[in-house]
Amino acid sequence: QKEVEQDPGPLSVPEGAIVSLNCTYSNSAFQYFMWYRQYSRKGPELLMYTYSSGNKEDGRFTAQVDKSSKYISLFIRDSQPSDSATYLCIVAGNNRKLIWGLGTSLAVNP
Amino acid sequence: DGGITQSPKYLFRKEGQNVTLSCEQNLNHDAMYWYRQDPGQGLRLIYYSQIVNDFQKGDIAEGYSVSREKKESFPLTVTSAQKNPTAFYLCASSPGIIRGAGEKLFFGSGTQLSVL
Repeated sequence: QKEVEQDPGPLSVPEGAIVSLNCTYSNSAFQYFMWYRQYSRKGPELLMYTYSSGNKEDGRFTAQVDKSSKYISLFIRDSQPSDSATYLCIVAGNNRKLIWGLGTSLAVNP
Repeated sequence: DGGITQSPKYLFRKEGQNVTLSCEQNLNHDAMYWYRQDPGQGLRLIYYSQIVNDFQKGDIAEGYSVSREKKESFPLTVTSAQKNPTAFYLCASSPGIIRGAGEKLFFGSGTQLSVL
């Protein structure tokens, strides 16, 4: 079983839709959770960081962590064509080693 | 304009050849990293460096070498021992070694290496 699993998509939605991106992880010791966004042939950039459980909101983006089910989510409200990118989830434990998901490809159609 | 610069954007390697990928940062960050990205796989850490003249192997260091002679520069050499070098290579930096406490990685735009 992979340490972090992410559906690669592609996910295609119309502009203005609410997008839900998800990851599951295997190790209950993970307590640091991050989402990076990567545009085609560019380096990833940090979108959201969450420690332990709970929600975190930043503008149109909300990150959610459910440690009981080992499930992390990123919600995008009022999606825009500029949100079209690959979204990478990352988990880490106390050893601070980052475990990267494969990424979900998102296309927001105008 | 602060950031990380990777060059070249595209690089081709012939059989048996060593090639060097450049990475320069002007963010005054202590830590620098090299990752490899392949289709169908998550980013994998090749090497990282916390300070000048010191570097550590990551998960897939075999066939690669690095140097850190200056704080701003962390070049990666892909040697002929790396039998499957075709990939997208990403250089990153952070203020200190990633401790998971909200420190973020700043990435360059990547170098696509292909084998002729």
